[in-house]
Amino acid sequence: IAGITQAPTSQILAAGRRMTLRCTQDMRHNAMYWYRQDLGLGLRLIHYSNTAGTTGKGEVPDGYSVSRANTDDFPLTLASAVPSQTSVYFCASSDRQGDTGELFFGEGSRLTVL
Amino acid sequence: GQNIDQPTEMTATEGAIVQINCTYQTSGFNGLFWYQQHAGEAPTFLSYNVLDGLEEKGRFSSFLSRSKGYSYLLLKELQMKDSASYLCAPMDSNYQLIWGAGTKLIIKP
Repeated sequence: IAGITQAPTSQILAAGRRMTLRCTQDMRHNAMYWYRQDLGLGLRLIHYSNTAGTTGKGEVPDGYSVSRANTDDFPLTLASAVPSQTSVYFCASSDRQGDTGELFFGEGSRLTVL
Repeated sequence: GQNIDQPTEMTATEGAIVQINCTYQTSGFNGLFWYQQHAGEAPTFLSYNVLDGLEEKGRFSSFLSRSKGYSYLLLKELQMKDSASYLCAPMDSNYQLIWGAGTKLIIKP
């Protein structure tokens, strides 16, 4: 089934540890995004990539890094996790860069930092 | 700054009609999306408006007034499965979506 796959679906992590959330899409979409969703707040953009080889900072990029080595994969890394990074993380993709393409979301990764 | 305002929670009765309002202020505008999100799940696309007026898609309709910075989502013939959060998201001049916190819709029998 075509779509976006995120891993892990859930993770408990000690503060200070490094963590990478994986995201893979098989729709050949150009644009990919990482959001975090916290209770009472809207989705907040962490980083995005309009095409393979390029990345950009979103609204809340501090403490996170991304890479886009190819079209399909867009991993999000927390270099040294802190409790404020406890959240649900959604990866999304769109087939139209800088345009009005619908976003397709992965199922989310629930991260708890203790 | 950029701002989205929608009600936190609404309650409606199965079979009825409900309108979820959204007002927005963005730096530039390139259309507005509505997404549905069931608890514990990912958001899914409902509608997109870029011109003023009403877009109808089955039981769901979405309206946009660009001059007023206003949109609404209209849900007809409500079903229990419509219990979810509804997210309003205008797109700014950089083609980035600005997300509201969402309206939690509770459907009662």
